[in-house]
Amino acid sequence: GAGVSQTPSNKVTEKGKYVELRCDPISGHTALYWYRQSLGQGPEFLIYFQGTGAADDSGLPNDRFFAVRPEGSVSTLKIQRTERGDSAVYLCASSLAGPSTDTQYFGPGTRLTVL
Amino acid sequence: AQSVTQLGSHVSVSEGALVLLRCNYSSSVPPYLFWYVQYPNQGLQLLLKYTSAATLVKGINGFEAEFKKSETSFHLTKPSAHMSDAAEYFCAVTGGTSYGKLTFGQGTILTVHP
Repeated sequence: GAGVSQTPSNKVTEKGKYVELRCDPISGHTALYWYRQSLGQGPEFLIYFQGTGAADDSGLPNDRFFAVRPEGSVSTLKIQRTERGDSAVYLCASSLAGPSTDTQYFGPGTRLTVL
Repeated sequence: AQSVTQLGSHVSVSEGALVLLRCNYSSSVPPYLFWYVQYPNQGLQLLLKYTSAATLVKGINGFEAEFKKSETSFHLTKPSAHMSDAAEYFCAVTGGTSYGKLTFGQGTILTVHP
């Protein structure tokens, strides 16, 4: 079956612009996570959705970052007024229901470069 | 709060040699522990996970890891390295909440020499 997909695979933008990153989770997975991976680092948690609602957004670095999941499937991560420090690979993961023991399945990521 | 430390950002072994990648964790609640592998331009793939059942966990591709509470460790091993094992490996911890917010280590790049 299809895994987690993310689009675009690469995004280059200029400082100050707005970007949207899309995640299509595995069909039937109710839990969805966004992580950010900077060069040479492990992924860092951004936000967790259970269904349509953001159950934990404590990892979002500031109010320029926002994410939605309006129908409980596809999610979009939105970054306003991008800064060079936002450059990273943004990873999306989904799991069947969300408990700690659930396996999270990761997409290939979107590499964001802010010039 | 939880954290993971992976000792050695780079590990190099010869083909056929033992692979040992180290992971130590810190957690104020009983942890669940994971090892993921990341090949170039691919997503993270789960190798194995510990969820409080058997302390010796076997995963895919011949890898295994042992949970040692007294040492707060979850080291990853494979008896005989293969060229295809060259990748970056991440240890992660979660637990204590009702969902799986993962905290990752910084990763270890494994190089396998012929």
